[in-house]
Parts: sequence; C-alpha cells; structure tokens
Amino acid sequence: RKEVEQDPGPFNVPEGATVAFNCTYSNSASQSFFWYRQDCRKEPKLLMSVYSSGNEDGRFTAQLNRASQYISLLIRDSKLSDSATYLCAAQGRNFNKFYFGSGTKLNVKP
Amino acid sequence: EPEVTQTPSHQVTQMGQEVILRCVPISNHLYFYWYRQILGQKVEFLVSFYNNEISEKSEIFDDQFSVERPDGSNFTLKIRSTKLEDSAMYFCASSLSGNEQFFGPGTRLTVL
Repeated sequence: RKEVEQDPGPFNVPEGATVAFNCTYSNSASQSFFWYRQDCRKEPKLLMSVYSSGNEDGRFTAQLNRASQYISLLIRDSKLSDSATYLCAAQGRNFNKFYFGSGTKLNVKP
Repeated sequence: EPEVTQTPSHQVTQMGQEVILRCVPISNHLYFYWYRQILGQKVEFLVSFYNNEISEKSEIFDDQFSVERPDGSNFTLKIRSTKLEDSAMYFCASSLSGNEQFFGPGTRLTVL
C-alpha cells in the first residue's frame, strides 16, 4: 500500500466554485501533514500544515481525520490562479522521512 | 523573504560522469533534504540531513549518492556515476523545525 494516495484528477471547476481534495495516508503514527501546490515544472510551495484537527487560511481549509486516516483540502471561491497540482505530504514512520502523494490536478476555468 | 537557492538550474551530463548539485538552504534552518521528481511522476524523498549527518535515506539513495554540508551554508548532492534513469528534477528543501519544508527551484538533471 502506498504511504500517501491522492485522486489524480483533473478536477475541472468554474471560477467561484468550491472544490475539495482528499488524501489518504497509511502510517497511523504520522503526526504532521502538509499541502503543497506545484505549478508546472516548478518547485512545490507550502500551502498549509495540518497537525491536529485542521487549519484555515483565507479561502483554504485543511482537515485531518485520524480515525479514517485522511486529510482534505477545501478551496472556496476558486480563482483562475488556483489552477495547479496540489500535493499532499505526510511524515513517515521515521519522522525524518516524508512521503508525497502523486498530486491532484486542478483546472479552474473562466 | 528568505528562500532556498539551487545551482545550476539545468545540468546536462554524460552517463557515467559525476555531478554535484548545489543548494543554499534558508540561513537559520537546521534540517535539509533532497528530493527528486522524474517528469510526470511524484516527488520522491531521497535523504534528510541534520546536525551534520544523514538522519534518514530512501532506497533510491544508494552508494552512488552522497551529501555534504561543506561550509555551513552550502548543501550538496553528489551522484558518482550517473545513469540514464537519474534524469529528473532534483529539489533541495530546508526546515527550521523538521516539519514545514521550503523547497528550492530545483536542478533539472539530464543524463545522455
């Protein structure tokens, strides 16, 4: 089983829509989770950290569900500039090792 | 805003040659990482480095790979004898606490 799994998408949504992505992780001991966005051929950029139940930053909300071992990212009022690939990351059994999902592609259309 | 820098942005090399990829982490950060991303695939962990030693490495990080922090600012990844399948984007990242990681812009390595 992969350490971190994501739906690859793409999610095609109109501007202004609300969209949610899920990410499942296999290591129940993981304490730290992260959402990154990655634009084409660029580096991952940190969007949010999720340590406990959740985190909110403007239009972005991340939730953690430990019982079901998944984290989610909700984007409200989507903008064209939100179009990117969203990567989920989790710390592994050894806390110095990090696992990334394959990413979920979001296309926001006018 | 402080950022991680990497050089070169693109490196082309012949199979069997040695390459050194360079990174300057954010200055007060203590944890350093190398990742690779083959085109169209996911970001893969290679190695983490803390307190001047490797803290964890993946199965990919075999004897052909090594890391160094030679002078307190640079963090390098050396590939001793490159193979075609080493062609990828290599990202360096740094972290203050070992949690949030900030990535550099990457070095695109092409092995011919």
